[in-house]
Amino acid sequence: GENVEQHPSTLSVQEGDSAVIKCTYSDSASNYFPWYKQELGKRPQLIIDIRSNVGEKKDQRIAVTLNKTAKHFSLHITETQPEDSAVYFCAASMSASKIIFGSGTRLSIRP
Amino acid sequence: EPEVTQTPSHQVTQMGQEVILRCVPISNHLYFYWYRQILGQKVEFLVSFYNNEISEKSEIFDDQFSVERPDGSNFTLKIRSTKLEDSAMYFCASSELAGGIETQYFGPGTRLLVL
Repeated sequence: GENVEQHPSTLSVQEGDSAVIKCTYSDSASNYFPWYKQELGKRPQLIIDIRSNVGEKKDQRIAVTLNKTAKHFSLHITETQPEDSAVYFCAASMSASKIIFGSGTRLSIRP
Repeated sequence: EPEVTQTPSHQVTQMGQEVILRCVPISNHLYFYWYRQILGQKVEFLVSFYNNEISEKSEIFDDQFSVERPDGSNFTLKIRSTKLEDSAMYFCASSELAGGIETQYFGPGTRLLVL
């Protein structure tokens, strides 16, 4: 089955700097890659997603890239702000199927 | 904006007892899911449900688990005889068919504590 690896497990960046989180997946049939942000005790919130027919997608300060050949995808957050502090999960899925989550990255923004 | 809702928000139960976790998916969604998250760990898939039947389940979803859509709005997860290791946050999610690939929206979760 699908396996999603995520790193780093923790990331601390200075406010205003960029943060990058990287993931790999194992099943080439996966075609949908969402990213979720989870604050303590809260639900995972979808922040951006990318389909396999697209290499890059951007939404304001957040961007995702996908390399299907290498089975890599990554999240980039620019101009980080204190409210970006949370746990971020990458995930992979096939159409109408379960989401397989990575192990999460705890992002801390230093003021 | 429509949201997935879940009740109760917290549930404490004794080992061996049955619990039912309830979810109300977003009204026009067709696919329903249960996930769980043990404290400090990643979110794990339990089961997916479409057209009134289970479409996929994980190894975690053994015979002590069952799901049901008893009416047009609720989606439930039953754990027949709870174990200590069932203590976790349980998330319901739902999605609609959109271009063949569905975005899943998560409910706020039910925190289950088995004593």
